[in-house]
Amino acid sequence: DTGVSQNPRHKITKRGQNVTFRCDPISEHNRLYWYRQTLGQGPEFLTYFQNEAQLEKSRLLSDRFSAERPKGSFSTLEIQRTEQGDSAMYLCASSLSRGQGGGNEQFFGPGTRLTVL
Amino acid sequence: AQSVTQLDSQVPVFEEAPVELRCNYSSSVSVYLFWYVQYPNQGLQLLLKYLSGSTLVESINGFEAEFNKSQTSFHLRKPSVHIIDTAEYFCAVTNNAGNMLTFGGGTRLMVKP
Repeated sequence: DTGVSQNPRHKITKRGQNVTFRCDPISEHNRLYWYRQTLGQGPEFLTYFQNEAQLEKSRLLSDRFSAERPKGSFSTLEIQRTEQGDSAMYLCASSLSRGQGGGNEQFFGPGTRLTVL
Repeated sequence: AQSVTQLDSQVPVFEEAPVELRCNYSSSVSVYLFWYVQYPNQGLQLLLKYLSGSTLVESINGFEAEFNKSQTSFHLRKPSVHIIDTAEYFCAVTNNAGNMLTFGGGTRLMVKP
């Protein structure tokens, strides 16, 4: 078990370009979450999956943001037509839900730092 | 809706002194409470959590937090801090569905020799 991994770790792009980030969760975990963290703030929830189903996406920041988890394993987060305000750390987390409700620990990856010029 | 407030953005303290990092939350439903720690250049790690039962929970490295329902607080304490405790600490809540964590703004603990 190598933990949650995210690629790339850093991404620099120009405004208007599309970017895609990948998250590989802990292998047996059925839930996968995406958060955004801006400088000096706590992480902000974006969306989550249970297996391949995206169960909550109303917190995605705009329709430029989309996420997929096609086979219930890795996930991608895409931002289209990036803006300077999208510059942030994008965090992925995973957990194993066994019907314990909110008590499942979320394990976080190291994040992808996006800089939009 | 839930929210978390961490009243102190930075807490400087000398080594071996006690420390308290404050966390207050608001929620219309029962919550589960967490403290996460982020060491420099590392990802978030769970420090401790309150789910049910005893209101005092402890971590393996000497931190403890007490759930106070009447004051809607979950303050983090350590009787004697060390240099290696220097990090950013985040308080977070989730509801019974556990589909998202709501984080506070974080408190930067700076331990000085």
